Amino acid sequence: AQSVTQLGSHVSVSEGALVLLRCNYSSSVPPYLFWYVQYPNQGLQLLLKYTTGATLVKGINGFEAEFKKSETSFHLTKPSAHMSDAAEYFCAVSSVNNAGNMLTFGGGTRLMVKP
Amino acid sequence: DAGVIQSPRHEVTEMGQEVTLRCKPISGHNSLFWYRQTMMRGLELLIYFNNNVPIDDSGMPEDRFSAKMPNASFSTLKIQPSEPRDSAVYFCASSSTRGSSPLHFGNGTRLTVT
Repeated sequence: AQSVTQLGSHVSVSEGALVLLRCNYSSSVPPYLFWYVQYPNQGLQLLLKYTTGATLVKGINGFEAEFKKSETSFHLTKPSAHMSDAAEYFCAVSSVNNAGNMLTFGGGTRLMVKP
Repeated sequence: DAGVIQSPRHEVTEMGQEVTLRCKPISGHNSLFWYRQTMMRGLELLIYFNNNVPIDDSGMPEDRFSAKMPNASFSTLKIQPSEPRDSAVYFCASSSTRGSSPLHFGNGTRLTVT
């Protein structure tokens, strides 16, 4: 079984400040890890993914995430927040044995950016 | 690539009525998923298909919910009869079968049952 925990359902930062959204996962096999972003009244969009290889993954809009196996974490960061980053962010895990490619999502973190 | 297309975008209906939500996945994707999103429960997987065959429908809340995928380019989610607690945003997503492949989501159908 696999699971995802996102610490903090709401995170508030000032514009220009560092963004850090936390994600911890549980998986019995090597995981594939994903971050998605959801803007109001839209579906989820892929920000970045980790499959194999380099543990620091860069995504769209200046976001990046680092896979840390020892900590079972995949935290999302951005050096400088922009007002347009305000959205809900979802971490998800998929296992390599999952022939059906079923993702398990975390509960989401709503990011608010203050001017 | 038009992405995953869902219709309608908004649906308002009265309790007891039948509701049908529609989804066209991305061409070439062979996995299709139906999710429901609410404030209380977040994102819930209802059912998913591989190559048009339902694989796991354990997330379907009740017998009032049913889903079909008659071919690779079309799926429906039906609620009959609908109830106010079914009000939510329903998302369809598709992907290829490989575990590293991300899901591509549609823009959702916002269902309101009065």
